[in-house]
Amino acid sequence: GNSVTQMEGPVTLSEEAFLTINCTYTATGYPSLFWYVQYPGEGLQLLLKATKADDKGSNKGFEATYRKETTSFHLEKGSVQVSDSAVYFCALSTIKAAGNKLTFGGGTRVLVKP
Amino acid sequence: SAVISQKPSRDICQRGTSLTIQCQVDSQVTMMFWYRQQPGQSLTLIATANQGSEATYESGFVIDKFPISRPNLTFSTLTVSNMSPEDSSIYLCSVWAWNTEAFFGQGTRLTVV
Repeated sequence: GNSVTQMEGPVTLSEEAFLTINCTYTATGYPSLFWYVQYPGEGLQLLLKATKADDKGSNKGFEATYRKETTSFHLEKGSVQVSDSAVYFCALSTIKAAGNKLTFGGGTRVLVKP
Repeated sequence: SAVISQKPSRDICQRGTSLTIQCQVDSQVTMMFWYRQQPGQSLTLIATANQGSEATYESGFVIDKFPISRPNLTFSTLTVSNMSPEDSSIYLCSVWAWNTEAFFGQGTRLTVV
């Protein structure tokens, strides 16, 4: 079956520091990969996505590259802000007859301090 | 994009009772998904709700505990039945738009006492 493994948090950083959150996956076929973000008290929002190998998703200064050879989709940001404090979820989907079911990693809480 | 409204946003319920959560989407969608997020945990898919047929449940979830209705292409309900404190979670409704991106409701934060 499909599974997603991401680094455990919490990750505590100072403002303007470099952020990396590791994500690896196991899937049958060729999944699409996603990073979702959950700000305090809010629902999930799509941060970025990649649908095929070597694609790079980017948004709000965050980037992640779909690496088929290492089955990874690590999230990076060069200079974090306090407003980036949130929980980040790596996820994948495989197109099935039953629909686009998402499989999530465990989530990584990031806390950015001024 | 798809705008999803969930009601209620939160509730505190007595054990043994049931709560029905509503999910309204601003566009017609074939499938709607219900997830559970237990405290400090990730999201787990409960079931997929298809209009005009019974919901498809994931392993570990059963219809008697989580009955789902899907009366039309923009609306679904999830009921958490005979609740216990272990059911305290955030329940989220989700849909896919154009088969490329999943959108989520704000979630229903349920506390069972």
